[in-house]
Amino acid sequence: NAGVMQNPRHLVRRRGQEARLRCSPMKGHSHVYWYRQLPEEGLKFMVYLQKENIIDESGMPKERFSAEFPKEGPSILRIQQVVRGDSAAYFCASSQEDLSTGELFFGEGSRLTVL
Amino acid sequence: AQKVTQAQTEISVVEKEDVTLDCVYETRDTTYYLFWYKQPPSGELVFLIRRNSFDEQNEISGRYSWNFQKSTSSFNFTITASQVVDSAVYFCALSAYTGNQFYFGTGTSLTVIP
Repeated sequence: NAGVMQNPRHLVRRRGQEARLRCSPMKGHSHVYWYRQLPEEGLKFMVYLQKENIIDESGMPKERFSAEFPKEGPSILRIQQVVRGDSAAYFCASSQEDLSTGELFFGEGSRLTVL
Repeated sequence: AQKVTQAQTEISVVEKEDVTLDCVYETRDTTYYLFWYKQPPSGELVFLIRRNSFDEQNEISGRYSWNFQKSTSSFNFTITASQVVDSAVYFCALSAYTGNQFYFGTGTSLTVIP
């Protein structure tokens, strides 16, 4: 039973390029969360999605960042026109139900470096 | 507002010593969950424990134990007879019972010296 799969594990982009991070939740999980970990900091909530719906995007920067979780395929976190401050580890997590009843399982993270 | 404070940024202990990692939280919710995660040097997040706010029983799992004190809003984590493999960053986190977010502390970096 595979866990939460994230790819790529490491991504290097130059300023102004686009970064796409993918997350496949655990089998049977329909709730996906994205968190960002800046260097020397804890994880910060970005967005919570269910299939085809964004439920809570209160942690997402207003510009350049978007997320989707289509009916088929992985969840995608997209960062347009990346800047150096976007360098961070981006963690995806999934749960079978919402957090009131379910546990949250994290992927291994995608580490974005912006040159 | 929800907030988790891990005041200890870095701790170093010698192997076989006991070590306690502190976690203090703030929430207005009467029902909530508390968590501890371990982040080893490889970077993944490893779930350690989840505790409901209405269950104040302390828990022990092998060399790990957790002390939940609702009166002081603390959820401390003790490693007994520490080992080098315990070296990692440990995060405490809080989620509201009906919420969709985890609120993480800034982590405590534990180094166990052989």
